[in-house]
Amino acid sequence: GENVEQHPSTLSVQEGDSAVIKCTYSDSASNYFPWYKQELGKRPQLIIDIRSNVGEKKDQRIAVTLNKTAKHFSLHITETQPEDSAVYFCAASRGNDYKLSFGAGTTVTVRA
Amino acid sequence: AAGVIQSPRHLIKEKRETATLKCYPIPRHDTVYWYQQGPGQDPQFLISFYEKMQSDKGSIPDRFSAQQFSDYHSELNMSSLELGDSALYFCASSPKGLAGSEQFFGPGTRLTVL
Repeated sequence: GENVEQHPSTLSVQEGDSAVIKCTYSDSASNYFPWYKQELGKRPQLIIDIRSNVGEKKDQRIAVTLNKTAKHFSLHITETQPEDSAVYFCAASRGNDYKLSFGAGTTVTVRA
Repeated sequence: AAGVIQSPRHLIKEKRETATLKCYPIPRHDTVYWYQQGPGQDPQFLISFYEKMQSDKGSIPDRFSAQQFSDYHSELNMSSLELGDSALYFCASSPKGLAGSEQFFGPGTRLTVL
């Protein structure tokens, strides 16, 4: 089955700095890679996703890159704000109607 | 916009009791997924249904069963509850098609087993 590894497990950044989270996956059939943000006790919320036919995607301060050859993808958050503090999960899926396999999560703390 | 609905939001049970969790997907979503998230853990896939048929199965204990009904809502039945079953249980739904992989999560049911 799919194995998703995520690093780092915790990340503390100064407000305004950038944050980068990296994930690797094992299943070469995976073709959909979402990122979720989860606040304590709340549901995971999709913040950005990328499909295997795309190398990079950007949405305002958030960007994701994908290297299919190396089987890794990364989340970049620029100009971090205190409200970006949360746990971020990467995930991988084979696509349509397939389960998500999650990384272990990264706790991001943005210091004011 | 309508979101995934889960009930109940909180549930407290004793060991060896049974529990039923309900999930109502977003309208026109025909695939439902169940995930279990322990404290400080990532969500773990339990089971999924597409068009009322089980489509995939993950690390779901034999004590648990689930089904999807004709109106696409789903129920997760948990029997002989153990302390280790205490967790957040999320239901997610997705629409069919090329964009079908995007999963929308419900607010979760927090199950506490005493």
